[in-house]
Amino acid sequence: LAKTTQPISMDSYEGQEVNITCSHNNIATNDYITWYQQFPSQGPRFIIQGYKTKVTNEVASLFIPADRKSSTLSLPRVSLSDTAVYYCLVYSGGYNKLIFGAGTRLAVHP
Amino acid sequence: EADIYQTPRYLVIGTGKKITLECSQTMGHDKMYWYQQDPGMELHLIHYSYGVNSTEKGDLSSESTVSRIRTEHFPLTLESARPSHTSQYLCASSEYRGSGLGTDTQYFGPGTRLTVL
Repeated sequence: LAKTTQPISMDSYEGQEVNITCSHNNIATNDYITWYQQFPSQGPRFIIQGYKTKVTNEVASLFIPADRKSSTLSLPRVSLSDTAVYYCLVYSGGYNKLIFGAGTRLAVHP
Repeated sequence: EADIYQTPRYLVIGTGKKITLECSQTMGHDKMYWYQQDPGMELHLIHYSYGVNSTEKGDLSSESTVSRIRTEHFPLTLESARPSHTSQYLCASSEYRGSGLGTDTQYFGPGTRLTVL
């Protein structure tokens, strides 16, 4: 069972790039790394998913080193609306292994 | 954008009442899930379903029960509500992406905030 470790909270300012790193030392061969974003009183929303190297979409980039024991979510030029909790998940589709963890609370300031 | 709905959004009810939280999705997803989340805390999977007539318990023990009679509908029932059941309940659904294409992306509903007095 892959356990993830993320910083509890982070602070940033509008226009800056934010990098949130997640550690997953016990990641299994079949596991994918997935990040979700959650605003208060809403359900989580999928941001990005990757297996190795780098993945980029219109919202974020995900960097995964060769050993896959960590991953970094990169949010370019954050705005106030990016203030949310960000969750890192590592799983291969076994539903009883879905653990969201406490996530990282990102606060973006003016 | 995913279409998954939960009703009611907020519910305040007295101890001992039977309640059903509704969840529906219009995407034709086979897999559906129920999570429980206390304010500022982790999400915990309490139930999931692979498809019609399939239900399984998640990693967090729950006194609630679920049913899956139709693909689009996955209601959660508490036979006798207690204050300890006060929490936010989130429903989600996903579609298998295929071997080697990554794991399922889950689409979440807005949640039901339940308060049991």
